[in-house]
Amino acid sequence: KAGVTQTPRYLIKTRGQQVTLSCSPISGHRSVSWYQQTPGQGLQFLFEYFSETQRNKGNFPGRFSGRQFSNSRSEMNVSTLELGDSALYLCASSPAGATNEKLFFGSGTQLSVL
Amino acid sequence: AQSVTQLDSHVSVSEGTPVLLRCNYSSSYSPSLFWYVQHPNKGLQLLLKYTSAATLVKGINGFEAEFKKSETSFHLTKPSAHMSDAAEYFCVVTPFSGGYNKLIFGAGTRLAVHP
Repeated sequence: KAGVTQTPRYLIKTRGQQVTLSCSPISGHRSVSWYQQTPGQGLQFLFEYFSETQRNKGNFPGRFSGRQFSNSRSEMNVSTLELGDSALYLCASSPAGATNEKLFFGSGTQLSVL
Repeated sequence: AQSVTQLDSHVSVSEGTPVLLRCNYSSSYSPSLFWYVQHPNKGLQLLLKYTSAATLVKGINGFEAEFKKSETSFHLTKPSAHMSDAAEYFCVVTPFSGGYNKLIFGAGTRLAVHP
């Protein structure tokens, strides 16, 4: 069974641009969540989707958005990039997104904003 | 609100010696607690989780953790460190309800294992 797949693995963008990251969950998993990892702030929750609906959102500005498709694949978008958006973005999936469920993480997309 | 504090940012041990990674939590309710591990250039992997069934939780690769409500602690231990244990470890708490995988991570503890 394939794991969580995130593409691309690396991205370099300049300030003001926008970027779209993709996440394909494990087959059969309906919940996808996104996290941002930086040396200064650590791992922070961005948002979680289940059956194409956003159920939970972290404390990030509206420049960060996401969506989920009917096949459970998810994308997140960051508009008007800032230097501080440079981070490792991790996607995780689980069968139903219940509080105690084990999450399966992808290897992440490393975004560098110049 | 829930939070976790990992008391050591770096821990260094010799191969074959015990490992202790410390975590204290803050929660208004009985929490769900986890330990995740992140190896370089890899995603996070669940080591173990506590969900009130038993206070001593056994995980993968010989790790275990004990939930102590009186001390609000959930320390991670391993009797004998292996070189492959070198990684970053995160103590994690989830909200009592409605959390829907909104994990709250500690700052992490980087474990170094020396020969």
